[in-house]
Amino acid sequence: SSELTQDPAVSVALGQTVRITCQGDSLRSYYASWYQQKPGQAPVLVIYAKNYRPSGIPDRFSGSSSGNTASLTITGAQAEDEADYYCNSRDRSGNHIREVFGAGTRVTVL
Amino acid sequence: EVQLVESGGGMVQPGGSLRLSCEASGFTFSSYWMSWVRQAPGKGPEWVASIKQDGNEKYYVDSVKGRFTISRDNAKKTLYLEMNSLRAEDTAVYYCAKKASGYDFPFEYWGQGALVTVSS
Repeated sequence: SSELTQDPAVSVALGQTVRITCQGDSLRSYYASWYQQKPGQAPVLVIYAKNYRPSGIPDRFSGSSSGNTASLTITGAQAEDEADYYCNSRDRSGNHIREVFGAGTRVTVL
Repeated sequence: EVQLVESGGGMVQPGGSLRLSCEASGFTFSSYWMSWVRQAPGKGPEWVASIKQDGNEKYYVDSVKGRFTISRDNAKKTLYLEMNSLRAEDTAVYYCAKKASGYDFPFEYWGQGALVTVSS
């Protein structure tokens, strides 16, 4: 089971703003990363280290974080932003490092 | 251009074995942590294992410890996942992923995935 909690689904009108949240204790110590996945494709990194965008990711994607909650915001959502979005962070127990993912949020653009 | 190409997937009976390979290009393979991440049908991604640049540190999700082994050959720029004692619940698309440097090492690039089906 995921130790990062995400809302299962959210919808947004074309051109409007949507925020997706991710909650978990690991986020108090480690940065969240966000991935976009479209059907039949591999995930793509869209935000990392709170609010860095890899090359090629539109600036309508932004991230923020506070306490145990990280957020991904799409400002001016486009039809091509309809996808599943997953958050991820590291976690550490003693000397053991692991990675955790949220169960994902499906974004529908109306 | 970073490319990660997985191979070795297929169908196997419960209790069987498979070895996945991931050929990397477009970056200095020996300088980065690498990982395997899997995704069962209709589910979200699940991290499986990660390996340090020199192969001397490895981490696994609890459910595969003792059954799966991650390894790498930096001269061949290839990442491996040896999977033994396979179970139905290991059925998934397995992705090879390059980790970024720093910033808590996000999964920066992903391969196209290799499907592993465990079924009798």
